[in-house]
Amino acid sequence: GENVEQHPSTLSVQEGDSAVIKCTYSDSASNYFPWYKQELGKGPQLIIDIRSNVGEKKDQRIAVTLNKTAKHFSLHITETQPEDSAVYFCAASKGAGTASKLTFGTGTRLQVTL
Amino acid sequence: GAVVSQHPSWVICKSGTSVKIECRSLDFQATTMFWYRQFPKQSLMLMATSNEGSKATYEQGVEKDKFLINHASLTLSTLTVTSAHPEDSSFYICSAFRVGYTFGSGTRLTVV
Repeated sequence: GENVEQHPSTLSVQEGDSAVIKCTYSDSASNYFPWYKQELGKGPQLIIDIRSNVGEKKDQRIAVTLNKTAKHFSLHITETQPEDSAVYFCAASKGAGTASKLTFGTGTRLQVTL
Repeated sequence: GAVVSQHPSWVICKSGTSVKIECRSLDFQATTMFWYRQFPKQSLMLMATSNEGSKATYEQGVEKDKFLINHASLTLSTLTVTSAHPEDSSFYICSAFRVGYTFGSGTRLTVV
């Protein structure tokens, strides 16, 4: 089955700096790659996603890049703010637009310090 | 936007009792819902996939007789933890699919 690795496990940045989180996946059939933000005691919230027919997607301070050949994708957060502090999970599935199983990465705890 | 309501948000129960967790899609119909388990500081692990009107599909290693899933309508799926034990204490999260995946707010189960 699919295996998703995520690095780093913890990341501390100063407010205003950029943060980058990287994930690799094993199954070349995966075609949908969402990123989730989870705050303590809450469920994950989708922050951005990308499909395999796109190499990059941006939404304000957040961007995701996908390299299908290398089977890795990254989350970029620019101009970080304290409210960006949370745990971030990448995920992968094989059925973009369908109810296929999501395989999650191990998570990155991001801390934005003042 | 799509909203998924999960109740209760937390529950404490005694060993040997059963606990039911509800997952409702409030403004859309979800033919497929997913149940996850998350231990502290760990990732989400898929327990089962629930399809409306049919039996749930459980992941390897998940006891189907212990974690009963019912998806009787397009807006409601329930997870019942039967004969709960302290090792079942965890954070349980549901997700409903409609174009994309929307997650509930989770249920913190503590078995004492």
